[in-house]
Amino acid sequence: AQSVTQLDSQVPVFEEAPVELRCNYSSSVSVYLFWYVQYPNQGLQLLLKYLSGSTLVKGINGFEAEFNKSQTSFHLRKPSVHISDTAEYFCAVNSGGSNYKLTFGKGTLLTVNP
Amino acid sequence: DGGITQSPKYLFRKEGQNVTLSCEQNLNHDAMYWYRQDPGQGLRLIYYSQIVNDFQKGDIAEGYSVSREKKESFPLTVTSAQKNPTAFYLCASSRVGRGATNEKLFFGSGTQLSVL
Repeated sequence: AQSVTQLDSQVPVFEEAPVELRCNYSSSVSVYLFWYVQYPNQGLQLLLKYLSGSTLVKGINGFEAEFNKSQTSFHLRKPSVHISDTAEYFCAVNSGGSNYKLTFGKGTLLTVNP
Repeated sequence: DGGITQSPKYLFRKEGQNVTLSCEQNLNHDAMYWYRQDPGQGLRLIYYSQIVNDFQKGDIAEGYSVSREKKESFPLTVTSAQKNPTAFYLCASSRVGRGATNEKLFFGSGTQLSVL
């Protein structure tokens, strides 16, 4: 079985500050990891994904994430956030390869204040 | 523009009524999915379909039904058997097939269903 834990349900930050959104997973086999973003009243968009290779993955909008196998983590980071980054962020794990086996975390609401 | 269109944006259901949520895609994707999103609960898979005329139950299929008569369309019916239907419903699609594992999901903008 696989699962995802997003440790913070809400993260408030000021504009231009750095941010880290935490994600831990559990799986008995190799995993594939994803971060999706959801802007208010919209669907989700893929920010980045880790399938293999370099553990540091760069995504859209200046976000990056680091896969840490020993700590079973896949934290999302951005060095300087903008008001427009205010959204809900979902970490997801897939240990089977097929999309229907994707398990989402409960989400972290990032609020960027001026 | 290619994408996924969900309609309506808001839907209200009366007691004992079945309602149908529409999902159409023009991305030529084989696979389509329905997710339910509750506040603070993340996304849970209701049904998915990887090919026309075939679909499979997800984690929370009870009280829901789907059809996949055309590649472009994957409507979801919320039946009267679903006792707690108030939620945000998201449709998604992706490629499938040889070499197409861990494909990016493309999402629609969602339908908010509420009970009157």
